[in-house]
Amino acid sequence: AQSVTQPDIHITVSEGASLELRCNYSYGATPYLFWYVQSPGQGLQLLLKYFSGDTLVQGIKGFEAEFKRSQSSFNLRKPSVHWSDAAEYFCAVGSGSLNNDMRFGAGTRLTVKP
Amino acid sequence: SAVISQKPSRDICQRGTSLTIQCQVDSQVTMMFWYRQQPGQSLTLIATANQGSEATYESGFVIDKFPISRPNLTFSTLTVSNMSPEDSSIYLCSAPGGPRADTQYFGPGTRLTVL
Repeated sequence: AQSVTQPDIHITVSEGASLELRCNYSYGATPYLFWYVQSPGQGLQLLLKYFSGDTLVQGIKGFEAEFKRSQSSFNLRKPSVHWSDAAEYFCAVGSGSLNNDMRFGAGTRLTVKP
Repeated sequence: SAVISQKPSRDICQRGTSLTIQCQVDSQVTMMFWYRQQPGQSLTLIATANQGSEATYESGFVIDKFPISRPNLTFSTLTVSNMSPEDSSIYLCSAPGGPRADTQYFGPGTRLTVL
């Protein structure tokens, strides 16, 4: 069965510092991988996704993620964090089919220090 | 991408009552999905709502507690019945979008508090 692990429950970084949020997945076939962000009191917004091709994908708000099949990872990165990036980040894996077999990680809460 | 709206955005309800949440998508979609996000937790799929057929429920969720309607290709409702404080959660609907409908887009969520 597919699953997603986000090892870090909570991360604190200083504004302007770099950020990396970890995501490991377990999936029997070629995975469709996603990162979503949830600001307080809001729904989920898609940051980026990987289906195939270039393993480094660019997303919105200056985020990028790299797919590493050998490590079953899809870590999210940002070179310089802004205070507005404080939010909950969810990694998800699915098959990309119309049947929703998407599974979400537990989430990583990001705090940004001034 | 799909643009999804939900009503109400939040509500405070009494134990034993029911609340119906509405979800509207800006385009026709075959499937819509309902999720629950308990406080401090990740998302758990409640059910898949297909137009013209019964919803498909995930393990641990039953139709009597969470009846779903899907009257057309752009609209769905989720009812949380006979509520208890344990039902206090954010309820989100989603729908597929993108060129091959292979990406889930989410509504803003309904924050439910049961007293």
